[in-house]
Order: sequence, then C-alpha cells, then structure tokens
Amino acid sequence: DAGVIQSPRHEVTEMGQEVTLRCKPISGHDYLFWYRQTMMRGLELLIYFNNNVPIDDSGMPEDRFSAKMPNASFSTLKIQPSEPRDSAVYFCASSLRGVDEQYFGPGTRLTVT
Amino acid sequence: SQQGEEDPQALSIQEGENATMNCSYKTSINNLQWYRQNSGRGLVHLILIRSNEREKHSGRLRVTLDTSKKSSSLLITASRAADTASYFCAASGTYKYIFGTGTRLKVLA
Repeated sequence: DAGVIQSPRHEVTEMGQEVTLRCKPISGHDYLFWYRQTMMRGLELLIYFNNNVPIDDSGMPEDRFSAKMPNASFSTLKIQPSEPRDSAVYFCASSLRGVDEQYFGPGTRLTVT
Repeated sequence: SQQGEEDPQALSIQEGENATMNCSYKTSINNLQWYRQNSGRGLVHLILIRSNEREKHSGRLRVTLDTSKKSSSLLITASRAADTASYFCAASGTYKYIFGTGTRLKVLA
C-alpha cells in the first residue's frame, strides 16, 4: 500500500478563496482523522470519521471549515472563505481501528496571503 | 485542553548519549502512543503502551507508563544523528487522541 495520500502538498491562496484539501486513507482502515499543525498551537485534531461517518467535529474551528467522506477511499477538508490565520500544515491520518496506531500522510502546507 | 504535554520542549545531546522525554496527561486513558516527526514530514508511530502495562521496549526505545502520576517517559538509548526529530505523545481515553506540543530532539554528531 502507498500509505496515506494527500493532495496538494503545497497550496498558496489569497484570503477569501475556497481551499479544498484531499486525502486517500490506507485501504481497509475504518478511521480517518484530520489534524492541523502550527507552531503556536501544535497538532490539533479537527475531525474524525468512522466508516465514512463524522464522529467528532468538535475541533473544527469555525463554520468556514467543513469535511466530508463520501466513500471509504476519499475525504476532503474545505475552507471557505480562507483567512491568513488558516495558514498551517494539515495532516490526514488513518487507522485500522480507532485505538490503533495512526498512519499519517505527508501533509498539505497551506499559505493564505 | 492538552491531553499530552511533553517535557522538555527541546533537548540537545551528543551522539551515543541517551535521550529521555516525558509526557503528562490529564484524564484516564486506554493507551498512550509516541510518535516521531522529522522536519517537513508527517508523524510516524513509534510505540503504543496500554494502560495496564508499565514498561515496553522496541529496539533502542523504552517507554514507561505511570497511570497514578498520569505520566509517561520515552527513552532513546545510544542516540544517533538520525534520531534528530520532534517527538510527540498522544493519549487516548476513547478513539480520540490528543497530541502534545512535542519535544524537539537534536543529536549532535
């Protein structure tokens, strides 16, 4: 398996634009997690899914953020409209079961100017 | 609130020395995991210790867990320059892991 795949790896956009981050989890993994990492706040859990269903989105910072998982092999994290304070590295991770080790993707570095 | 908080925030040692990092958490847990992150990369899982375990080894890694003190430690023995990275603990009471801010380890050759 190729591991968790994220795209794009880098995204630079202007304030107010819509941003869509994509993730393909490891095949067979039932859990998918979205994290955001910044120097100030460290690694924050935004939302996680179990069998494509959102279980806990309490970490999503604002209504500008939304996440979907239309099927077991694809998830998106959307920011609309984007703001400079959204600049961060966004990671997707998956695990076989929720209590198992998580496999992280390489991350998407988002810069909002 | 942070579930896992690492200490120290930064550590610099010579190659061949041992490195010890500590983690504290706030609530009851099912297990605790340690991850490594190389600069610009995603996190890589190192080791998982369950709440009913007190010590676990994996190669040059040794992890301890003290549930009465709500703390864990990660020991890397005979460190190498390639161990230079940030190390995170992640504690979980359910299916949700909360990561700390990490310890930045630098191993000097």
